[in-house]
Amino acid sequence: AQSVSQHNHHVILSEAASLELGCNYSYGGTVNLFWYVQYPGQHLQLLLKYFSGDPLVKGIKGFEAEFIKSKFSFNLRKPSVQWSDTAEYFCAVSYNNNDMRFGAGTRLTVKP
Amino acid sequence: NAGVTQTPKFQVLKTGQSMTLQCAQDMNHNSMYWYRQDPGMGLRLIYYSASEGTTDKGEVPNGYNVSRLNKREFSLRLESAAPSQTSVYFCASRNDRGWYFGPGTRLTVT
Repeated sequence: AQSVSQHNHHVILSEAASLELGCNYSYGGTVNLFWYVQYPGQHLQLLLKYFSGDPLVKGIKGFEAEFIKSKFSFNLRKPSVQWSDTAEYFCAVSYNNNDMRFGAGTRLTVKP
Repeated sequence: NAGVTQTPKFQVLKTGQSMTLQCAQDMNHNSMYWYRQDPGMGLRLIYYSASEGTTDKGEVPNGYNVSRLNKREFSLRLESAAPSQTSVYFCASRNDRGWYFGPGTRLTVT
């Protein structure tokens, strides 16, 4: 079955530290890839997405992600996190454009 | 544009009760989706509707029914609620640019 794996359940960083959250998916065909963020008590917000083209995607709030097709990965990065980045982050993969599967999420805590 | 709206925002049910969660979008999207979010499990697809008049099962359809009333509205019904259905429910719609999520409905079944 198609699946999305996020390797880290909870990441704790200090402000200004660099962030990388892992995401791998199981499907070998054409995919669209997304990262969403959910701040406490709020609904999902799109951080960035990859449909085609440059595999390095830049999103909002200084986040970026790199699609590596050979590794079935779409890792999220930010060079310097802020306290306000404390949230839960979800990787999502659309396999056939009529379905989207989510990873279990990674909770990020940034200590001031 | 209101985007994707959901009602109610909160609901408490007793085991065995029924209810319908409402979702509407004003973006003229063909595809609509219902997800549930549980701690440590991310979002899981319950049902989706690729176009008006069609519905399909997702990952976790058991215990739910859906109706695509028209292009705007996609409702989710729990006929006999169970504690395992305690969750946060998100509706979404989609166009070529991606998915758009509603604010969610927090449902507690006691």
